[in-house]
Formats: sequence, C-alpha cells, structure tokens
Amino acid sequence: AQSVTQLDSQVPVFEEAPVELRCNYSSSVSVYLFWYVQYPNQGLQLLLKYLSGSTLVKGINGFEAEFNKSQTSFHLRKPSVHISDTAEYFCAVSPVGYNKLIFGAGTRLAVHP
Amino acid sequence: DTGVSQNPRHKITKRGQNVTFRCDPISEHNRLYWYRQTLGQGPEFLTYFQNEAQLEKSRLLSDRFSAERPKGSFSTLEIQRTEQGDSAMYLCASSLGAGGDIQYFGAGTRLSVL
Repeated sequence: AQSVTQLDSQVPVFEEAPVELRCNYSSSVSVYLFWYVQYPNQGLQLLLKYLSGSTLVKGINGFEAEFNKSQTSFHLRKPSVHISDTAEYFCAVSPVGYNKLIFGAGTRLAVHP
Repeated sequence: DTGVSQNPRHKITKRGQNVTFRCDPISEHNRLYWYRQTLGQGPEFLTYFQNEAQLEKSRLLSDRFSAERPKGSFSTLEIQRTEQGDSAMYLCASSLGAGGDIQYFGAGTRLSVL
C-alpha cells in the first residue's frame, strides 16, 4: 500500500520570501511523484512531476521539487513567492504499473503582503 | 482542447434521493478517473476507465455507487439512496496514457446531501 504525508497543513509566508512545502511518501513499489495546485473553484493543475532521471524537477510558475529516494521525500520549493501563489498544494504518488493517484491531505499556502 | 468538463457544478439533494453526475474528458484521452474530495482532505481515488472498460474500483465505491462510460467518451457517476456522508466534491480526470501520464482534472461537482 502507498501513503503520502504532507507535513504542514498550513504555511504562512510573506511575499517575495522563499517557501518549502514538505512531502514524504511510503510505498513498497516504485512510484511516480507529482505536485498539483488547487485554486478556489478551479480544478487541480499539475505543477510538476518526477518519473525518472534527474532528481531536481522544474515546474511551472517558478516551482521546483527534489526527489530524495533515501528519505522518500519530494519537497516543493520556490525561491520567491507572490500573492498569486496563495492556494492549496497537493503532493501525490502513482505506483508504477497502476493508474491511480494517491494524494496527501494538502498544504494551504497563504502569501501575505 | 477544452479541458475536462463536469456537470452540474453544484448539486443539493435530500437524503435517500439518487443523483447522477457527468464528466466529459479531453477528447483524445482514453483514460478517465473519478475521485472524491472531502473538506480538508486530498482527493481519494474511486474508479478508473480505459475506453469503456472499468478496470479498477476502490473499496470506497460502495454498491450504492455506479459509474459508466458507455461509448468510451463521457462518463456518469450515479449515487443511489444518498447519505449525508456522501457530501463531498466529486472530481473527474482524464489522461492520454497510463502510469506517469498527466491527469487533467475538471473543476468538480460539489454534492450536498441534506
């Protein structure tokens, strides 16, 4: 079985500050890793994904994430946040050979002026 | 590419009534997924179609729930004899391929059972 733990339910941060949203996973099989963002009244939008290769993955809107196999982590980072980054962020895994996504509970990022 | 479309956006119903939701995936996508999201939680997988075949169902999908994708295009999710615990956001997603392919999500149908 697989599980995803997002270590912070809420992260407040000031505009232009750096941010890290933490994600750990547990799985007995290899997984693909994803970060999605959900703005109010909108569908989930993919930020970035890791399938294989370089462990540092760059996504949209200046976000990046680093896959750490030994620590089973996939933390999301942005060097300088904007007010418009205020949203709910979800980490997800998909077991290799399967088609479903298994999501964490989400982290609410609140960017303050 | 018009994205994944879900209708209705909101549904209010009384306990014991049946409800049906519709999902129209991105046109060339042959894989379609249903998820349920309750307040403060991440989406939970319900079921998955490849073309018209329903290939996987979660244990969350009780016998009151049924999903169809009759011609491999749009899909419907029906809940019979709704219960208050069914109140949630129901999300549909589609993808072109399997595994690590991106799943594109609709905006969801919010169900409130009174």
